Amino acid sequence: KQEVTQIPAALSVPEGENLVLNCSFTDSAIYNLQWFRQDPGKGLTSLLLIQSSQREQTSGRLNASLDKSSGRSTLYIAASQPGDSATYLCAVKNTDKLIFGTGTRLQVFP
Amino acid sequence: DAGVIQSPRHEVTEMGQEVTLRCKPISGHNSLFWYRQTMMRGLELLIYFNNNVPIDDSGMPEDRFSAKMPNASFSTLKIQPSEPRDSAVYFCASSLQGTGSYEQYFGPGTRLTVT
Repeated sequence: KQEVTQIPAALSVPEGENLVLNCSFTDSAIYNLQWFRQDPGKGLTSLLLIQSSQREQTSGRLNASLDKSSGRSTLYIAASQPGDSATYLCAVKNTDKLIFGTGTRLQVFP
Repeated sequence: DAGVIQSPRHEVTEMGQEVTLRCKPISGHNSLFWYRQTMMRGLELLIYFNNNVPIDDSGMPEDRFSAKMPNASFSTLKIQPSEPRDSAVYFCASSLQGTGSYEQYFGPGTRLTVT
């Protein structure tokens, strides 16, 4: 059974810092991995999707990497801003299902 | 495109009442997913449909929960009778499934409170 874990559970950093969020999964037979952002009381917004054949994807200040063989992904946020404060969820796709991690709650303070 | 649409956004009901949540997927998407999110259990998949057909309902907690997708543009999740432990945020998501590599797009969710 696929299990997805995210570390750390919570993170508080000053504005401007570069930071890394970690995601690990137990079954490497995945189709893709997706990173989402969730603001309090809101739905999920897709940030990046990495196909199983890819190593990384970039969008603006965000960079996500995937090491399928070791069951790991990282989300790198450059020059963090208060507007980045949210919960970040990773999810891996086995067959048609997305299995979600527990999330990292990020707070960026001015 | 308006994205995935869910209604209502908030629902407060008394224990024992029937609750119906609604979802309109993104036009052209052929797969639809219902999730439940709670503080204790995080985000859980309840059921998903491919081409309007339920494929996997193993996440549905019990017989009080049922879901239908009568056509490609509409789905419902029904709870009858509702219980306080059903209180959660229910999300609907849709995607275009082919080889299994397509993104899922989420609706804003329905916050359900059962008193």
